[in-house]
Amino acid sequence: SQKIEQNSEALNIQEGKTATLTCNYTNYSPAYLQWYRQDPGRGPVFLLLIRENEKEKRKERLKVTFDTTLKQSLFHITASQPADSATYLCALDVDNAGNMLTFGGGTRLMVKP
Amino acid sequence: DVKVTQSSRYLVKRTGEKVFLECVQDMDHENMFWYRQDPGLGLRLIYFSYDVKMKEKGDIPEGYSVSREKKERFSLILESASTNQTSMYLCASSFPIPNEQFFGPGTRLTVL
Repeated sequence: SQKIEQNSEALNIQEGKTATLTCNYTNYSPAYLQWYRQDPGRGPVFLLLIRENEKEKRKERLKVTFDTTLKQSLFHITASQPADSATYLCALDVDNAGNMLTFGGGTRLMVKP
Repeated sequence: DVKVTQSSRYLVKRTGEKVFLECVQDMDHENMFWYRQDPGLGLRLIYFSYDVKMKEKGDIPEGYSVSREKKERFSLILESASTNQTSMYLCASSFPIPNEQFFGPGTRLTVL
């Protein structure tokens, strides 16, 4: 069956360190993968999109990698700050047309000052 | 500033009531979505609409219906609310090519 797995346990790191979150998937062949941030009681906010033919994408302190052989995406936040504390969701396209996404369960990141 | 708005942040209804959740977007997006989010189950797609009057079922459409009479508005209808429909409901919109989804603030629905 199709599955998207993100570490359900919270990730606790010290301010200034790099946070690395993992998204693994099985039985999908996504054309692209997206990452979202969600704060408590709010809707997710889009962060980055990476296509299957891209190995890496950067935006300010954020970096995403996409390995279609390993079926894995890594999401990095460098020089992390307490304001980065949130839940991060990965999402895959399921119809290869950019319409429907399937979301992982999310990983909660806590950055301690 | 792009915006997706939802009619209520919090809603309390009784079992058996008909419930309407409204979503409006101002970005001229073709696609609109309704999700529910539950602890441990993540975001699950209920229905998706790619054009006015067009809809497709998502992963969990049972007990729900939708209406899209205008491009900017997408409604989720619970014909007869049940306690297992207590959840956070999120609306989103997007353009049709691979693109990010913009989410509303969510409606926390409690069915008693």
